[in-house]
Amino acid sequence: EADIYQTPRYLVIGTGKKITLECSQTMGHDKMYWYQQDPGMELHLIHYSYGVNSTEKGDLSSESTVSRIRTEHFPLTLESARPSHTSQYLCATGQNTEAFFGQGTRLTVV
Amino acid sequence: AQKITQTQPGMFVQEKEAVTLDCTYDTSDPSYGLFWYKQPSSGEMIFLIYQGSYDQQNATEGRYSLNFQKARKSANLVISASQLGDSAMYFCAMRERDSSYKLIFGSGTRLLVRP
Repeated sequence: EADIYQTPRYLVIGTGKKITLECSQTMGHDKMYWYQQDPGMELHLIHYSYGVNSTEKGDLSSESTVSRIRTEHFPLTLESARPSHTSQYLCATGQNTEAFFGQGTRLTVV
Repeated sequence: AQKITQTQPGMFVQEKEAVTLDCTYDTSDPSYGLFWYKQPSSGEMIFLIYQGSYDQQNATEGRYSLNFQKARKSANLVISASQLGDSAMYFCAMRERDSSYKLIFGSGTRLLVRP
């Protein structure tokens, strides 16, 4: 049973608003990841971290930012949401032979 | 260059039969791991199986097995005795040590199990 939590599960927000998607894990994993996925499509890596105070950009350019001040917490922030940010955002953690995902946040920007 | 390639956008299988989902990868890192995930229509990502590059034997997990052919750089997922609940998207992924353990995915295969 994976202990990784994402909040909120669903979010509808107006254009221009600042939002933070939360991701927390209790497994003590060093590696954490954020992906963006449109329905039925592939997962695009937008950010990852291999430990506290490390963050790297993924393969898909994103206007979002992340931070990793604590092992268990890896929030993603959008300073000014736009309709093009509408998507599902998935957070994952990994260690050795494991990599688990949270339930995801479905974001709709209107 | 595509790091993870899944060439089958969609597959059909008859219930109770076995099915193989293809995955090839590209890396020069001697240390890497390969993962398979299932994503049902609900959208959650379910971890199925893992294979390490140094593992001598193919990984197995219940009805799932990974046909690891290192020289061919392929890591096909075999699902035995398919069930209706196996209908979902399946994603192959790779994590390389030399790229700071970045975890990257293929484009996925949609599997439909027929009754």
